[in-house]
Amino acid sequence: EVQLVESGGGLVQPGGSLRLSCVASGFTFSTYSLSWVRQAPGKGLEWVTNIKQDGSEKNYVDSVKGRFTISRDNAKNSLYLQMNSLRAEDTAVYYCAKDHYGASDYWGLGTLVTVSS
Amino acid sequence: AIRMTQSPSSFSASTGDRVTITCRASQGISSYLAWYQQKPGKAPKLLIYAASTLQSGVPSRFNGSGSGTDFTLTISCLQSEDFATYYCQQYYSYPRTFGQGTKVEIK
Repeated sequence: EVQLVESGGGLVQPGGSLRLSCVASGFTFSTYSLSWVRQAPGKGLEWVTNIKQDGSEKNYVDSVKGRFTISRDNAKNSLYLQMNSLRAEDTAVYYCAKDHYGASDYWGLGTLVTVSS
Repeated sequence: AIRMTQSPSSFSASTGDRVTITCRASQGISSYLAWYQQKPGKAPKLLIYAASTLQSGVPSRFNGSGSGTDFTLTISCLQSEDFATYYCQQYYSYPRTFGQGTKVEIK
């Protein structure tokens, strides 16, 4: 059974940093691209970033470029999102998701990031 | 970035109804389109990818069609478990973008 479990969310002040983690199981982690997608409270879905199987290619939405960094450790079946210079508008539930021909077929339960003073 | 526009934003329907949701891309995306269902407090669930390919385990009452800029999701016979919010997403180019969502409510 495919499972994705996010962690690392919490309350952080504006300008602060957080590192999200996503541990995967039930599939061959190293052979799939992975994404982070977020959802602000009461709002729609926003794709944030993705990373290819070997980490050689990373893509970001403009609003997080230069502030967020996606990475992965295939030996640990883990995906990460380093978030720096956080802003109030980054407040959201952050989901990690497994790629399926470009779409996302498995999602974690999400971890809530709240940016507030 | 490619803008995805869904219509309507919300509507009410009854169990057994046939419902259609539309998604329009601001530029051509071939068939690089997915549909997701999301229920309150839950993660999204993939229904359809490549515009018309049903994801494994998804009931056949869900049907996707379209290519280029105009796409539709049709639920042929609405069931109680289908009341949810539906999102389209393009994965033709980066950044991948979602529509704003369509909420299907019980009439």
